[in-house]
Amino acid sequence: DGGITQSPKYLFRKEGQNVTLSCEQNLNHDAMYWYRQDPGQGLRLIYYSQIVNDFQKGDIAEGYSVSREKKESFPLTVTSAQKNPTAFYLCASSLKRRNILYGYTFGSGTRLTVV
Amino acid sequence: KNEVEQSPQNLTAQEGEFITINCSYSVGISALHWLQQHPGGGIVSLFMLSSGKKKHGRLIATINIQEKHSSLHITASHPRDSAVYICAVARQGGGADGLTFGKGTHLIIQP
Repeated sequence: DGGITQSPKYLFRKEGQNVTLSCEQNLNHDAMYWYRQDPGQGLRLIYYSQIVNDFQKGDIAEGYSVSREKKESFPLTVTSAQKNPTAFYLCASSLKRRNILYGYTFGSGTRLTVV
Repeated sequence: KNEVEQSPQNLTAQEGEFITINCSYSVGISALHWLQQHPGGGIVSLFMLSSGKKKHGRLIATINIQEKHSSLHITASHPRDSAVYICAVARQGGGADGLTFGKGTHLIIQP
């Protein structure tokens, strides 16, 4: 079955360390996104990518980095520069046809805790 | 002011009740999505609307483009419907940067 796989589900990181969250999709979707979710807030966009080897900053990109070397994969690195990294991170993907987003699909998320 | 506002923020109801969750938005959109998030965190897409009404089982979603308002209804609610329901919009022009989300409505259905 097609879908998005995020790993790991839970991640603990020591302050000052970088950590990379994995996101893989086998839906042949063009666009991929990383969102952050904090209690009582809506999802906020960190980075997005519409095609391989290209990505754009979202609303809260500071302290994060991404790469899109393959269509299927869009890993997110949370760097030590991110001041409040403890959060729930969601990856998503979609098709884009004639400027309309279709088939929006979410992963199951990674809960990152900085200890 | 958020571009997408949902109400109520929290809703507790008894099993069998008819549930309505509202979503208002302030930008031009190409589509509106209703999403469901269970306690484990994963999100499932329920509906994508650009006009009118859609129905899937006990769930009904409506949208009024002129009034910039959408509603999600649950008929004959059941405890398994307990979840966070999220409204999200794709901005007009395709919203290449993805969706803009409301803060969600936390629904609890008691047996």
